[in-house]
Amino acid sequence: QKEVEQDPGPLSVPEGAIVSLNCTYSNSAFQYFMWYRQYSRKGPELLMYTYSSGNKEDGRFTAQVDKSSKYISLFIRDSQPSDSATYLCAMSYGGSQGNLIFGKGTKLSVKP
Amino acid sequence: SQTIHQWPATLVQPVGSPLSLECTVEGTSNPNLYWYRQAAGRGLQLLFYSIGIDQISSEVPQNLSASRPQDRQFILSSKKLLLSDSGFYLCAWSVGGLWSEAFFGQGTRLTVV
Repeated sequence: QKEVEQDPGPLSVPEGAIVSLNCTYSNSAFQYFMWYRQYSRKGPELLMYTYSSGNKEDGRFTAQVDKSSKYISLFIRDSQPSDSATYLCAMSYGGSQGNLIFGKGTKLSVKP
Repeated sequence: SQTIHQWPATLVQPVGSPLSLECTVEGTSNPNLYWYRQAAGRGLQLLFYSIGIDQISSEVPQNLSASRPQDRQFILSSKKLLLSDSGFYLCAWSVGGLWSEAFFGQGTRLTVV
C-alpha cells in the first residue's frame, strides 16, 4: 500500500461548482498536511497547511483533515477557470524524521 | 518577503554532458533547502535536502550530486547526464521544522537528448 493515494483525475467541473479533492494515507504518524496547486510547467504553490483534525478555511478553499480515517480533503467553492491546475496533497511526520510525502496530484479543469 | 530563484527554466542537454542547476533564496536565513524531481505520472521525488552549508543528505542513489556553498544557494550537478535524468527539477525551501511546509521555485525542465 502506498503511503499517500490521490486520484489522478482528470476532474472536469463547470464554473461555479464545488470541487472536492481527496487523499488517503496509510501511516497514522503523519502530523502535518498540505495542499499545493501546480499550474502547467510551473512549480507547486502552497495553498493550505494544517496540523490538526478538522477544517481550515481560507477564502474559497477549505482543507479538511480526518486523522481517524486517514483522509484529507480540499474543497473549492465557486470554482473558477483560473482554478484549473493540478492539486497535490502532501504530508509529513514533523520534526526531523521522514520526508515530505506528496500525492501524485489530481488534474482539475473548470469549464466556463 | 522571501523569494526563490531557480534557473534556467528550460534546458536541453546531450547524453554524457555535465549539468549545473542553481537555486537561490532571498529574504530568509538558514533555510532548509531541497531538490525534487517530478516525472510525468510519478509525482514528486525528493533527491537531496540540506539543513546548512555543506550539509547535504541524499535520498536516492543516482548520478546526481548537490552542493550548498552558501547559506541560501543550492546547486544540483551531474558529471554525465543520462537519458533517464530528463524531468522537471524543482528547488524548494522551508524554515522551522525540516519537513514543514515547503515553498517551491518555478522549476527547470531538463530534456536529455
